Amino acid sequence: DTAVSQTPKYLVTQMGNDKSIKCEQNLGHDTMYWYKQDSKKFLKIMFSYNNKELIINETVPNRFSPKSPDKAHLNLHINSLELGDSAVYFCASSQGWGTDTYEQYFGPGTRLTVT
Amino acid sequence: KNQVEQSPQSLIILEGKNCTLQCNYTVSPFSNLRWYKQDTGRGPVSLTIMTFSENTKSNGRYTATLDADTKQSSLHITASQLSDSASYICVVSATAGNKLTFGGGTRVLVKP
Repeated sequence: DTAVSQTPKYLVTQMGNDKSIKCEQNLGHDTMYWYKQDSKKFLKIMFSYNNKELIINETVPNRFSPKSPDKAHLNLHINSLELGDSAVYFCASSQGWGTDTYEQYFGPGTRLTVT
Repeated sequence: KNQVEQSPQSLIILEGKNCTLQCNYTVSPFSNLRWYKQDTGRGPVSLTIMTFSENTKSNGRYTATLDADTKQSSLHITASQLSDSASYICVVSATAGNKLTFGGGTRVLVKP
């Protein structure tokens, strides 16, 4: 069974379009994350939700809006896509959040290409 | 500014040989340091997690060390295998939250 899954795996779209990426985890974790990995392979956190509440919101354009309908799902909606949004987006989850050491489990990634 | 720097950026080793990857960080206040392995086209997978009080941790042929005084860590791969070809990412977590700072990774290629 896949622990953290994302759909779609590949997404090719044109500038100006709106698209969504879905993430689901079956680990029973309370916390989920969205990361962006750019062409230089650096991973940067975008958002984090704990028990469906937003706890981390990095400096991300307002065009990016996360939505957590329940603890097992965290979707990412992107409006008015731009060329610079092209990247691989990873979803991750962890048992909890805070000062304790919680291991994060990553999904397989969604490669977004904006043309 | 919290930063994690890794070296070398890439390296090529022969199957069966050992190698060591380096990680320097300026994250403060420090909570824990993690090493991840990322295969091409896949998400990162955790290898080790070390807190302030731990200075070495092993996971099979992977051994990580941590010197919290000098803010340095290393990942040693013993008797490399072709399946070790991947990017290895050093990640440091600051206290107050589970926010991680990622290094740029070291790309390892193991050749037969």
